[in-house]
Amino acid sequence: GNSVTQMEGPVTLSEEAFLTINCTYTATGYPSLFWYVQYPGEGLQLLLKATKADDKGSNKGFEATYRKETTSFHLEKGSVQVSDSAVYFCALSDHSNDYKLSFGAGTTVTVRA
Amino acid sequence: DGGITQSPKYLFRKEGQNVTLSCEQNLNHDAMYWYRQDPGQGLRLIYYSQIVNDFQKGDIAEGYSVSREKKESFPLTVTSAQKNPTAFYLCASRPQTGGAYEQYFGPGTRLTVT
Repeated sequence: GNSVTQMEGPVTLSEEAFLTINCTYTATGYPSLFWYVQYPGEGLQLLLKATKADDKGSNKGFEATYRKETTSFHLEKGSVQVSDSAVYFCALSDHSNDYKLSFGAGTTVTVRA
Repeated sequence: DGGITQSPKYLFRKEGQNVTLSCEQNLNHDAMYWYRQDPGQGLRLIYYSQIVNDFQKGDIAEGYSVSREKKESFPLTVTSAQKNPTAFYLCASRPQTGGAYEQYFGPGTRLTVT
């Protein structure tokens, strides 16, 4: 079956630091990969996505590259801000599973001023 | 403005009562989903529906029921049989075509049962 493993948190950084959150996956088909972000008390927002190998998703300074050879989709941002403090979820979806999302456990990121 | 609405944002109930959470979308999406999130944890799928008048159980369907009479609406009932109903409930929808098949989420309803 499908599964997603992401780096455990919490992660605490200073403003302008580099952020990496590791995500690896197991899938039976050819999944699409996603990063979602959840701010306190809110729903999930789609941050970025990639649909095939070597695709790079990017949004708001965040990037992730779909690496089929290492089954990974690591999230990176070069210079974080206090407003990036949130919980980040890696997820995958493919047709073999009715396009249901399989989520990682989430990584809590706190950025200090 | 297209999106998913969930109401109310906060809901309080006494133990033993059924409660229905609302989810409405105007995105013209065919598929809709209900998830449960507990503090510090990821999301678990309760029920999903890919078409009107049809739905399937997710990973934790026991103690919950749903209906899908209209494309726009997918209400979730938390019954008295659900042993630990206090949680944050998230509704999502997904287009059936268009490539990545990502899901779009509503703002959530926080249910507290005492």
